[in-house]
Amino acid sequence: AQSVTQLGSHVSVSEGALVLLRCNYSSSVPPYLFWYVQYPNQGLQLLLKYTSAATLVKGINGFEAEFKKSETSFHLTKPSAHMSDAAEYFCAVSDRLGGSQGNLIFGKGTKLSVKP
Amino acid sequence: DAGVIQSPRHEVTEMGQEVTLRCKPISGHDYLFWYRQTMMRGLELLIYFNNNVPIDDSGMPEDRFSAKMPNASFSTLKIQPSEPRDSAVYFCASTSSGSWNTDTQYFGPGTRLTVL
Repeated sequence: AQSVTQLGSHVSVSEGALVLLRCNYSSSVPPYLFWYVQYPNQGLQLLLKYTSAATLVKGINGFEAEFKKSETSFHLTKPSAHMSDAAEYFCAVSDRLGGSQGNLIFGKGTKLSVKP
Repeated sequence: DAGVIQSPRHEVTEMGQEVTLRCKPISGHDYLFWYRQTMMRGLELLIYFNNNVPIDDSGMPEDRFSAKMPNASFSTLKIQPSEPRDSAVYFCASTSSGSWNTDTQYFGPGTRLTVL
């Protein structure tokens, strides 16, 4: 069965510093992977997704993620953190056994804090 | 497009009362998902529909929970009777099989339920 593990429930960085949020996945089929962001009191919003095309995926707000099959990882990065990036970030894998429309299996989330 | 619409945004009720949460998916989307988010368990899929038909309800916690989708533009999640442990944020999400190979789900703003 598909699953994702997010390392670190809380990450704190200074404004302007590199953001690195870690996600490892487990999948019995080539995975479709996603990062979603949740701002306080809002729903989840798609940041970026990997669907077996380019391994380096660029998303909104300057975020990107690299799919590394050998490491079963899909870490999210941003070169320079901004105060507005403070939110909770969720990694997800699509449970698409049999090729049908899949459910999203979400990680536990990582809360990002940005210090001035 | 208005996005996924959920109502109410906040609901406070007493134990034993019936609670009904409502969702209007994005027009043209044929998949609808109900999730529950708590601090302890994170984001959990409760049930999802395709073309108004429930496909997988294995995430529904118990018989007190029921969900319906009478037409393509409306779904309800009902809890009867409600219990304090049902307190959570409930999200509705939708997607289109036209983009089935990318599995992007669009989330509503959520309903924050508090059962006293």
